[in-house]
Amino acid sequence: QQPVQSPQAVILREGEDAVINCSSSKALYSVHWYRQKHGEAPVFLMILLKGGEQKGHDKISASFNEKKQQSSLYLTASQLSYSGTYFCGTPGGGADGLTFGKGTHLIIQP
Amino acid sequence: EADIYQTPRYLVIGTGKKITLECSQTMGHDKMYWYQQDPGMELHLIHYSYGVNSTEKGDLSSESTVSRIRTEHFPLTLESARPSHTSQYLCASRAGGFEAFFGQGTRLTVV
Repeated sequence: QQPVQSPQAVILREGEDAVINCSSSKALYSVHWYRQKHGEAPVFLMILLKGGEQKGHDKISASFNEKKQQSSLYLTASQLSYSGTYFCGTPGGGADGLTFGKGTHLIIQP
Repeated sequence: EADIYQTPRYLVIGTGKKITLECSQTMGHDKMYWYQQDPGMELHLIHYSYGVNSTEKGDLSSESTVSRIRTEHFPLTLESARPSHTSQYLCASRAGGFEAFFGQGTRLTVV
């Protein structure tokens, strides 16, 4: 079952913060976050595992609440390089293939 | 730096032609995947493999087929291309339950 992401799109000024949410109707054991820039391959950001762990990647962090079956990605003091589409993915496909949400398009303006 | 390669990067081909999209990885990963992605849209899993001689269809129905004769190689074939097959095809590999590495993708246009 496909996770649901919100918002669909965000436009920010450089230096502003953003939150991207990912929720699932089924029990989650992990959530994966990827960023894809236009014309490029998706790039791994982080994995959130069961246990409410918070992970960080530069000024990007995330939380995972398995009871609520949701994860949030926090982008602090956004930089121009943060622009792209962010996808959350949950295992469930064959061979642990990830099922991705529809993505959140993030545009950072100078 | 991910060591997973896809060729060609771009392909424009006529309806009815047979095509093979190549995917190779040098990381020794057992699990490999093919995703289909339309511009600006989500990724859909169309094929996956647990290892050599293992291939399965994914969540999204696809007329393509795959093979896995060698660990490092996971080609995708369309026997008769149609305009509805126009899309981007992304190959990925993974070790265990950790991060997936994606290739640069093949943008296929069928005219």
